[in-house]
Amino acid sequence: KAGVTQTPRYLIKTRGQQVTLSCSPISGHRSVSWYQQTPGQGLQFLFEYFSETQRNKGNFPGRFSGRQFSNSRSEMNVSTLELGDSALYLCASSLYGGVTEAFFGQGTRLTVV
Amino acid sequence: DQQVKQNSPSLSVQEGRISILNCDYTNSMFDYFLWYKKYPAEGPTFLISISSIKDKNEDGRFTVFLNKSAKHLSLHIVPSQPGDSAVYFCAATENSGGSNYKLTFGKGTLLTVNP
Repeated sequence: KAGVTQTPRYLIKTRGQQVTLSCSPISGHRSVSWYQQTPGQGLQFLFEYFSETQRNKGNFPGRFSGRQFSNSRSEMNVSTLELGDSALYLCASSLYGGVTEAFFGQGTRLTVV
Repeated sequence: DQQVKQNSPSLSVQEGRISILNCDYTNSMFDYFLWYKKYPAEGPTFLISISSIKDKNEDGRFTVFLNKSAKHLSLHIVPSQPGDSAVYFCAATENSGGSNYKLTFGKGTLLTVNP
């Protein structure tokens, strides 16, 4: 059974640009959550999607957005990139959103220069 | 405002000894707690969890203890093995039986088990 797949693995962008990250959950999983990991703040919750609906959102500015498609794949978008957006972005999938059965992908390392 | 705190950034123990990783929380609404393990270049992997109605949960070499009055939990690894060397994250969630699917993480503790 394939795990959670995140693409791309590494990304370098310039300040002011926008970026789109992709997450393919485990087959059959309908919930996808996104987290940002930075050395200073640790892992912080961005948002969670279930059946194409955002059910919960963390304390991030509106520049951070996401969506989920009918096949449960999810994308997150960051517009007007800032240096502080440099981080590892992790996606987790689960059947219905239960935290114990959430499986994380390897993450996308975003560097903003 | 750090609601989940892991005050030790790192811990070093000898192989075969006990590793104790600590975690404190401030939000009294948290009702479910989890430990994740993370190797470099990989995503976090779920290790063990505990509900707030319990004070101990055991799974093989891993035991989690919860002290609700002190808002403190700990992860014990006995015996520690070199393969346990990783970053350990404590996480918590509130309303786990309802509609909140958000995990609040601590900043992690790097465990090094020396052969």
